Amino acid sequence: DAKTTQPNSMESNEEEPVHLPCNHSTISGTDYIHWYRQLPSQGPEYVIHGLTSNVNNRMASLAIAEDRKSSTLILHRATLRDAAVYYCILRDVRDDKIIFGKGTRLHILP
Amino acid sequence: NAGVTQTPKFQVLKTGQSMTLQCAQDMNHEYMSWYRQDPGMGLRLIHYSVGAGITDQGEVPNGYNVSRSTTEDFPLRLLSAAPSQTSVYFCASSPAGPLRGYTFGSGTRLTVV
Repeated sequence: DAKTTQPNSMESNEEEPVHLPCNHSTISGTDYIHWYRQLPSQGPEYVIHGLTSNVNNRMASLAIAEDRKSSTLILHRATLRDAAVYYCILRDVRDDKIIFGKGTRLHILP
Repeated sequence: NAGVTQTPKFQVLKTGQSMTLQCAQDMNHEYMSWYRQDPGMGLRLIHYSVGAGITDQGEVPNGYNVSRSTTEDFPLRLLSAAPSQTSVYFCASSPAGPLRGYTFGSGTRLTVV
């Protein structure tokens, strides 16, 4: 599985945008970029995914670099409920499983 | 919408006992997986399945067995529990292909004494 690199932790203020970075320099042409988050004492939940173009949904936006070697998950207006561990995962189009890394622990300051 | 249902939510076992963690999904998903998460750590893949009758090993399969006789159910069996298997276990399911995300259950917290 291709590897991703994320900061161990980040802090952000409530009601401000949050940009969570992910590096994936060895990404292949058939890898999709997936993001999950895990709230305290809960199972992970899917957030968003993309291949080449930027993506938006009700939870977040995903900005993908032109060379696809990095991506950024954007939370437009953080709330205390967004405090969680965020995982950036590469999933090959032919792959049937996902492997989690360590993720980024996001702290939201009131 | 039930989603992914895991039972039990909590379990205490004695070393050497066996048990089965149950996982059921009602979304007709082809893919199902089991993960374990130790305190303060990330999730590690134990076993996964791409459909009924097909299973494969993940990152940490030793000490666990799985079977997939139906699309809906994917039980995880601990053959002889050890303290090192104390963890939170998550089951997840997904439609086939990379264009949809996995849906996770709420977890089973297992303690082996």
